[in-house]
Amino acid sequence: EDKVVQSPLSLVVHEGDTVTLNCSYEVTNFRSLLWYKQEKKAPTFLFMLTSSGIEKKSGRLSSILDKKELFSILNITATQTGDSAIYLCAVEGTGANNLFFGTGTRLTVIP
Amino acid sequence: ETGVTQSPTHLIKTRGQQVTLRCSSQSGHNTVSWYQQALGQGPQFIFQYYREEENGRGNFPPRFSGLQFPNYSSELNVNALELDDSALYLCASSLDPGLAYEQYFGPGTRLTVT
Repeated sequence: EDKVVQSPLSLVVHEGDTVTLNCSYEVTNFRSLLWYKQEKKAPTFLFMLTSSGIEKKSGRLSSILDKKELFSILNITATQTGDSAIYLCAVEGTGANNLFFGTGTRLTVIP
Repeated sequence: ETGVTQSPTHLIKTRGQQVTLRCSSQSGHNTVSWYQQALGQGPQFIFQYYREEENGRGNFPPRFSGLQFPNYSSELNVNALELDDSALYLCASSLDPGLAYEQYFGPGTRLTVT
């Protein structure tokens, strides 16, 4: 059965800290791994990763995929209160053209 | 904000009732996927519609059904509501069924079943 596991489930940090969020997966016929940020309701797309070892970067956020060990990490440097959200990892397999999500990591950044 | 809209925003229903949730896709998008997100969980895929036909289904019972209209808007119907159906229901539209990574999510409908 396809599985996506995220850790930690929740995290509280101070502004300026660096955080690393983890996502491990088992999925049939892997196509891609995606990271989303969910602040209130609609998840918003952050990154899509398909190849091992290639870092994707957007401002203070970066992510990398290891297809051999079946995991990905999302790093956020110099965190700000606006980074407070649930971060979702999703894996796309072939077949039903859908995304299989993990339970998410709830990040709280306090001033 | 994306161009995907959902209605209603919130809904309270009683166990055993039926409910219809609506989703308007982003302009030009012919594919809609529906997800259920229970409290503290990630979204779970319910089904996908492409050009008015069901194009894949997750592990949900038949009392979850859907429709897609010629203008690509969509409905999710749930019959015989159960307490566990309480969740945030998200729809997401994309240009093509093969572009799961380019799904734009709507703001969701929060359903509470009492």
